[in-house]
Amino acid sequence: GENVEQHPSTLSVQEGDSAVIKCTYSDSASNYFPWYKQELGKRPQLIIDIRSNVGEKKDQRIAVTLNKTAKHFSLHITETQPEDSAVYFCAPGNSYDKVIFGPGTSLSVIP
Amino acid sequence: KAGVTQTPRYLIKTRGQQVTLSCSPISGHRSVSWYQQTPGQGLQFLFEYFSETQRNKGNFPGRFSGRQFSNSRSEMNVSTLELGDSALYLCASSLARTEAFFGQGTRLTVV
Repeated sequence: GENVEQHPSTLSVQEGDSAVIKCTYSDSASNYFPWYKQELGKRPQLIIDIRSNVGEKKDQRIAVTLNKTAKHFSLHITETQPEDSAVYFCAPGNSYDKVIFGPGTSLSVIP
Repeated sequence: KAGVTQTPRYLIKTRGQQVTLSCSPISGHRSVSWYQQTPGQGLQFLFEYFSETQRNKGNFPGRFSGRQFSNSRSEMNVSTLELGDSALYLCASSLARTEAFFGQGTRLTVV
């Protein structure tokens, strides 16, 4: 089955700095690469996603980059703010298999 | 458009009892997946239903079961509850296994 890993598992940055979280996966059939954010006490919500025909996608302060050959994709957050503090999950997948989430990365932004 | 609705929000049960949780997906979504979330354990996949059929199942004991009705509403049942079943149970609905929309979850406490 699909093996999904995230690194690092915890990340602490100063407000204004950048944060990068990497997701590696094993299923070469994956063609959809989303990132979810779960704030404390809330449900996970999609923040950005990318499909396999695109190498990078940016939405204001967040971006996702994909390296399909190496089977990893990364979440980049620039100019971090305290409200970015949350747990981030990746969930690489395709349209014909179950959605498996990575173990999560806990990001803390220190004011 | 109404979001994913889970009921009840909170449950307290005694060891050995059984429990049924309900999930109403977004209108038009036929795929419903269930996840167990415990502190430090991320989102563990339980099962996925599509058009009243279980499409995938995770690595959980047979005490965990589910079903989906013709209106796409789904229920999951846990029999012979154990202390270790205490967790947040999240359901998510999606179109074609792309973006997953989560409910607020049911917090189950087993005493």
